[in-house]
Amino acid sequence: QKEVEQDPGPLSVPEGAIVSLNCTYSNSAFQYFMWYRQYSRKGPELLMYTYSSGNKEDGRFTAQVDKSSKYISLFIRDSQPSDSATYLCAMRTSYDKVIFGPGTSLSVIP
Amino acid sequence: EAGVAQSPRYKIIEKRQSVAFWCNPISGHATLYWYQQILGQGPKLLIQFQNNGVVDDSQLPKDRFSAERLKGVDSTLKIQPAKLEDSAVYLCASSDIQGFVSTDTQYFGPGTRLTVL
Repeated sequence: QKEVEQDPGPLSVPEGAIVSLNCTYSNSAFQYFMWYRQYSRKGPELLMYTYSSGNKEDGRFTAQVDKSSKYISLFIRDSQPSDSATYLCAMRTSYDKVIFGPGTSLSVIP
Repeated sequence: EAGVAQSPRYKIIEKRQSVAFWCNPISGHATLYWYQQILGQGPKLLIQFQNNGVVDDSQLPKDRFSAERLKGVDSTLKIQPAKLEDSAVYLCASSDIQGFVSTDTQYFGPGTRLTVL
């Protein structure tokens, strides 16, 4: 079992849809959870950062962490064509390196 | 604020050849990372520097990969000799420090796409 798993997609949605992206993980020691966005032929950029369980909202983006289920989610409201990218979840313990998921490819169709 | 710079952007070599990548982090960032991203996978940490000291190189294939960060600023990653399975994008990232701990906001460069034939 891989430490961090993500459905690779591709996920295709119409403009304006609500998008749900998810990751599962196996290491219960993970405490810091991140979502990165990666456009084609670019480096990843940090979107959201959450410590432990709970929700965090930033504009059209909401990150959720459920440590009891070892499950994290990223919701995108009113999706735009500019949201088309690969979304990488990432996480780490308090003392170790960041582990990235394989990414989910998202296309938002105008 | 200038971002993380990497060069070259693309490199094609034959197996058993050597190759080097260069990274210049964001000014003032003490922590520098090299990642390998194979197509369809997430970035995998190869080596992490804090200033010019190595923090983590547990996943660096030391028989063929080497990295240095002289003077605690820019860094080079070298592969010698290259194998077919080294074909990947090599990403450099940098982050600031709060106290003694690197923050989780890593700023990535555009990467170097390596193809080994």
